[in-house]
Formats: sequence, C-alpha cells, structure tokens
Amino acid sequence: QKEVEQDPGPLSVPEGAIVSLNCTYSNSAFQYFMWYRQYSRKGPELLMYTYSSGNKEDGRFTAQVDKSSKYISLFIRDSQPSDSATYLCAMKTNAGKSTFGDGTTLTVKP
Amino acid sequence: DAGITQSPRHKVTETGTPVTLRCHQTENHRYMYWYRQDPGHGLRLIHYSYGVKDTDKGEVSDGYSVSRSKTEDFLLTLESATSSQTSVYFCAISESPGQGKSPLHFGNGTRLTVT
Repeated sequence: QKEVEQDPGPLSVPEGAIVSLNCTYSNSAFQYFMWYRQYSRKGPELLMYTYSSGNKEDGRFTAQVDKSSKYISLFIRDSQPSDSATYLCAMKTNAGKSTFGDGTTLTVKP
Repeated sequence: DAGITQSPRHKVTETGTPVTLRCHQTENHRYMYWYRQDPGHGLRLIHYSYGVKDTDKGEVSDGYSVSRSKTEDFLLTLESATSSQTSVYFCAISESPGQGKSPLHFGNGTRLTVT
C-alpha cells in the first residue's frame, strides 16, 4: 500500500466552480504538507506549503490539513481555465524525505 | 523555475547506449535530487546529493549513477539505457529539507525515450 493516496481523477468542472482535491496518508512521521501544480510539459510548481493542522489560505486557494485523520485537501474557489493542470500532493518528514501522490488532473471548462 | 536548468529537454536514444542528463542550478542550494515521473507511479526518487561529492540512493536507483563535482551541477547517467528507463526526469533542489520551510523546487524536466 502506498504511503500517500491521492484521488485519481480526472476532474472536469465548469469555470467558477469550487474544486476539492484530496489526499490521505498513512505515515505519522509526515509533518509538512505541500501542493504542487504541474502544467503540461512543465515541472511541478510549489503552490501551497503548511506544517500544521488547520487551514491556510492564499488567494483563491485553501490548503486544509487534518493530522488526526491523516487527510489533506486543496480547495480552489472561483476556478479558472488557467487552473487546468495536474495537482500533486506531497508530504515531508522532519528528516526531509518527501513522498508524492500520483496527481489529479483538473480541467476547468470556460 | 527557481533557477534550475535541465539539459537536454528531449532525448531519444537506443537501448544499450549511455546517456547523461544535466541539472544546473543558480540558487546555491546544498541539496539536489533526480526524480522520474511515470503514469501510475507519480514522482519517484532516483538519487540525491547533499553536497559536492556526497550522494545517496533513492527508491529506484538501479541502472542509474550520479555525480556532483560542483555545487551547481548534478549529473544523472544511465550506463546502458533500457526501454524501462523511458520516462520524464526531473531535477529538484532544496535548501535544507529537514528544516521548516524548505520544500523542493523543480526544473522543467527531460523527456527521455529509449527505443
């Protein structure tokens, strides 16, 4: 079983919709939680970074972490066609070991 | 792109030939990584470096070797390429991965096809 499981998608939503992307994990040693956005033919780009349970907001993006349930989510409000990409969750231990989900591909239709 | 340049961006090679991919960074970060990305497997760590001449294996290191002779350059070599090594290869850098806010930053990848 993988340490990090990500909702596989693909996900297709109309412009303006609220998007929810989710990952679960099994390793209690994960202390830092990240979301990366990856456009086609590009490298992953860091979108959100958090290290505590609760919510972190950055513009239209909100990262939510629930350590007790080992569950993280990324919410995108007022989604735009430019948000169409693959989103990767990632988690890191204090020792610096990062583990990635397989990614969810999102398409936002105008 | 956090000052990371990968070369070449695309490579087609034949089975059994050696291949070297290069990663160059301008951020002076101590840690550098090589990942491969494949459908259904996500990003998997091949090798990483924690300083000049200091390297270690990742989870999928068989068939790969690395070298780091300068802080800014990290080379990945496939000694004898196989079709299973067809993949997209990403270089990443990190300042101090074991400390607080120090996530990975990625280059734009090298798409390698082994025929």
